[in-house]
Amino acid sequence: QKEVEQDPGPLSVPEGAIVSLNCTYSNSAFQYFMWYRQYSRKGPELLMYTYSSGNKEDGRFTAQVDKSSKYISLFIRDSQPSDSATYLCATGTASKLTFGTGTRLQVTL
Amino acid sequence: DGGITQSPKYLFRKEGQNVTLSCEQNLNHDAMYWYRQDPGQGLRLIYYSQIVNDFQKGDIAEGYSVSREKKESFPLTVTSAQKNPTAFYLCASSPPGQGGYEAFFGQGTRLTVV
Repeated sequence: QKEVEQDPGPLSVPEGAIVSLNCTYSNSAFQYFMWYRQYSRKGPELLMYTYSSGNKEDGRFTAQVDKSSKYISLFIRDSQPSDSATYLCATGTASKLTFGTGTRLQVTL
Repeated sequence: DGGITQSPKYLFRKEGQNVTLSCEQNLNHDAMYWYRQDPGQGLRLIYYSQIVNDFQKGDIAEGYSVSREKKESFPLTVTSAQKNPTAFYLCASSPPGQGGYEAFFGQGTRLTVV
């Protein structure tokens, strides 16, 4: 079993839709929870991070962590074609991050 | 501009050849990391270094070697012992104490065996 599980997609949605991206993890020692966005042939860029259970909002993006069920979510409101990318969840401890496989998102006009 | 620079962007390796991927950062970060990205497998940690002259193996270190002689530089050598080196290689750095959670990535090097 992988430590972090993420549906690879692809996920295709129309412009303006609400997107829900999800990951599960197995290690209860994981303390940090991140979402990275990766455009094709580029390095990942940090989108959001949180240290605790609950929600964190940044513009159109909301990250949600439920430590009791070991579930991580990223919601994108009013999705735009420029949001088309691969979204990687990541979690870990103070010394090491573990990444999900990434979900490829396509936002169509 | 501060950031992480990886070079070259594309690299071709012949069977049995060692190649070295460059990673330089001017963010004054202590920690640096090398990841390998394959389709359907996400990012896997090869090596990481929390401080100059010290580094640790990650999950898939076999067939790779690194050095950390300077804070700014963390080169990765893909040796002939790595049987399946074709992949996208990503270097990252993070500020001290962050455990890589605020990792800044370079633009990657795509290595192909020919």
